[in-house]
Amino acid sequence: ETGVTQTPRHLVMGMTNKKSLKCEQHLGHNAMYWYKQSAKKPLELMFVYSLEERVENNSVPSRFSPECPNSSHLFLHLHTLQPEDSALYLCASSQDSGPSTDTQYFGPGTRLTVL
Amino acid sequence: AQTVTQSQPEMSVQEAETVTLSCTYDTSESDYYLFWYKQPPSRQMILVIRQEAYKQQNATENRFSVNFQKAAKSFSLKISDSQLGDAAMYFCAYRSNYQLIWGAGTKLIIKP
Repeated sequence: ETGVTQTPRHLVMGMTNKKSLKCEQHLGHNAMYWYKQSAKKPLELMFVYSLEERVENNSVPSRFSPECPNSSHLFLHLHTLQPEDSALYLCASSQDSGPSTDTQYFGPGTRLTVL
Repeated sequence: AQTVTQSQPEMSVQEAETVTLSCTYDTSESDYYLFWYKQPPSRQMILVIRQEAYKQQNATENRFSVNFQKAAKSFSLKISDSQLGDAAMYFCAYRSNYQLIWGAGTKLIIKP
């Protein structure tokens, strides 16, 4: 389970704070993803990066800002969040982002609580 | 728009018995991919099994198999000889291009 790592594992922040989530994949993949997982709801795809270029932004509020400096690292910068943003944030990677049976490999997630 | 529905929020099964988790989806596409993922408590999401829609043969991975009914848009997961380590949330997902469309999940409880 060390293919995709995420830090921190838990984060508590106030609505005026700025924080960042980090994801690193050690699998040599070209695509990386951010998902939001809320209780009893389907996973919500937030962002997709392929070869360090953003290919999808699913109408995510601007208080979430992704950054992909290289194909192994993905960040999610957070600022002025709302309590309803509290959730488990999952990072995933896959070999490619195109239509295929590519398996997505997930990190353990960051449990975010916004006070 | 594609949707994925898992109608069973929670299922329980006796250890060593067989259990089937349901999944239905809605799409107008003819070529796509379907997945079952497993998320154990406080552990990472991992792939259990996947199925290409153009293949009529049902996928099988050891104790895990699927019943893929394309016309009915149904993709159920059968777990045989259930083990305590199978306890987890199980998510059905549909892949279209680079997006995975997810169901809300089924919590599987294994009774010893």
